[in-house]
Amino acid sequence: NAGVTQTPKFQVLKTGQSMTLQCAQDMNHEYMSWYRQDPGMGLRLIHYSVGAGITDQGEVPNGYNVSRSTTEDFPLRLLSAAPSQTSVYFCASSYSIGGHEQFFGPGTRLTVL
Amino acid sequence: TQLLEQSPQFLSIQEGENLTVYCNSSSVFSSLQWYRQEPGEGPVLLVTVVTGGEVKKLKRLTFQFGDARKDSSLHITAAQPGDTGLYLCAGVNAGGTSYGKLTFGQGTILTVHP
Repeated sequence: NAGVTQTPKFQVLKTGQSMTLQCAQDMNHEYMSWYRQDPGMGLRLIHYSVGAGITDQGEVPNGYNVSRSTTEDFPLRLLSAAPSQTSVYFCASSYSIGGHEQFFGPGTRLTVL
Repeated sequence: TQLLEQSPQFLSIQEGENLTVYCNSSSVFSSLQWYRQEPGEGPVLLVTVVTGGEVKKLKRLTFQFGDARKDSSLHITAAQPGDTGLYLCAGVNAGGTSYGKLTFGQGTILTVHP
């Protein structure tokens, strides 16, 4: 099993550009989530999904969109990149919501100029 | 939004020393998880504590969940250079609109010098 995979590993954008961060898992997990990690702030939840076709906002959703058309894939879209979105982004999956072990991808380091 | 205060933010010690990392909140969590993260990688779960007062040991690491399920600690005995990394606590929210989601502490960057 590959676990949770994320692409790309690194990305540089200019302000106003859009892009999609890809996330896939092969563990048949129902719960998937996106976090951003900034120095001194831990991980903050952006969006999450409890199953295919169901998504909801987390703590810091502004400027990001998600969709969940399949159990395996959970892409994160930046609509119009801003320097404040410079961060490391992690996708995670778990069996279900509610305290199960979360399996994290290797992260995407995004810089917005 | 529930908050989880983690301290200290940085810890630099010599091999063989003991250390404790704390996570504190005014909110009750249904359980609490501890993760360790290496540079360039995602966090990996170390342990989950569920019951108030619970103590779990993982080799030289001891994890404790407070009686009221509002706080937790991680104690490392005789630290080794291989323990170097970022340690994160994460509380599982117990109710309301945040039910089941994780609230992360700010993290503790631990450096153990040989």
